[in-house]
Formats: sequence, C-alpha cells, structure tokens
Amino acid sequence: GAGVSQSPRYKVTKRGQDVALRCDPISGHVSLYWYRQALGQGPEFLTYFNYEAQQDKSGLPNDRFSAERPEGSISTLTIQRTEQRDSAMYRCASTLTSGKGEQYFGPGTRLTVT
Amino acid sequence: ILNVEQSPQSLHVQEGDSTNFTCSFPSSNFYALHWYRWETAKSPEALFVMTLNGDEKKKGRISATLNTKEGYSYLYIKGSQPEDSATYLCAFSGAGSYQLTFGKGTKLSVIP
Repeated sequence: GAGVSQSPRYKVTKRGQDVALRCDPISGHVSLYWYRQALGQGPEFLTYFNYEAQQDKSGLPNDRFSAERPEGSISTLTIQRTEQRDSAMYRCASTLTSGKGEQYFGPGTRLTVT
Repeated sequence: ILNVEQSPQSLHVQEGDSTNFTCSFPSSNFYALHWYRWETAKSPEALFVMTLNGDEKKKGRISATLNTKEGYSYLYIKGSQPEDSATYLCAFSGAGSYQLTFGKGTKLSVIP
C-alpha cells in the first residue's frame, strides 16, 4: 500500500462497549505511533512501538486503553468500556527507522461514543 | 508536561503576501523539531524535521529556521497561495524520548 491505512474510518458505539481500531503502517516501517486528536487540536501521543515491542505507553490515559502490534506490522488500539470522553479522532503514524524520523500519518478513525 | 506553543492561533493573508509564524518549545533536552501541514479531513503531512541549531530548511515557497538555544522555530511562506491554506503544526522531540509533543497549530487562510 502507498500509505498508512486505518480502519474503520468512522465508528459509533454505545457507552460501555469495547472498540478495536486498526492501523496498517507503510510496509517496512519499523516504528508505529498512536495519537488521539481532539477537534481543533494537535495530535496527543498515546503509545509507541518499535517493531513488535511497545516501548512507551505513557500517553495511554488509563487502563481501559491498550495497544498491540504482535508481528511488528499491523497494530490494534483497544478501548474497553468506552466512555463519552473517549470520543475523538484516533490517528496512527509510522516511521521508516526507529524513533525519530519524519512520521507518516494515517487518515484516522473518528470514534463517537453515544 | 512539555509546553509547545504556536502563534498566532490563526492568520488570514491575501494571496501573494508573505507570512510567518512561530513555534516555541523547551530549550533543554532538545532532539528535533518537526513541522507538519494539516488540511482538515486529511492526514498531517511532514514538511521538515530539524535537528541542528541554526538549521534552515526550504521546500518550494516554504522555509523554516531553528534556534534551539532560545527554543523557537519560524515557518515562512513566500507569496502565499490559496492552496497554502491549512493548519501548520509543529512538534517537539526530546532526547531520550520517542514522543512527539505537538502544538495546537496555526490555521492559515489565504484569501484569493
């Protein structure tokens, strides 16, 4: 694929349900980031993977949020027992090398919790 | 908590005008400063990644400078065009961390 893809693009869920958001990074990209973006704001860091290793999860707001990248490629961000305050755009980004380079962002998943 | 500030918050300019805006960031523990261009309903797109004090980068009519000692970067757009209308985000990366801390962006509107 040409770029980072995310699915679903839109998700509406009822409060209390679990959701799983998927990110498919650019092929061969080593690092993967998850961000949350509120309306009109810049992205806010959630978590970072280098290959399959989750090296920083300090941005996850609470233990209802988790992420995995079991084979070092596709990643899933899971939110359990969703709350209305979880409503936001969730974006992932990937970089070719570990850590610090230019990040390529996906189109995001717009999550609405009703 | 890292403080990355961008100013102004929004800006309206006439087509053909040149413009600039500011990103300020912590001057200690610096690793890199990123600039991204973000059009609503699209993904942020990388413009520059800058690491060296005094660095100046250019891409077409857009250029950026970096002062790590005082903790600021300027983004310049020469001869603004309507297609330059977007939000410009800067992001700070500190040494020893993989996190990018983003500012809230400067929303540029270029009036034809």
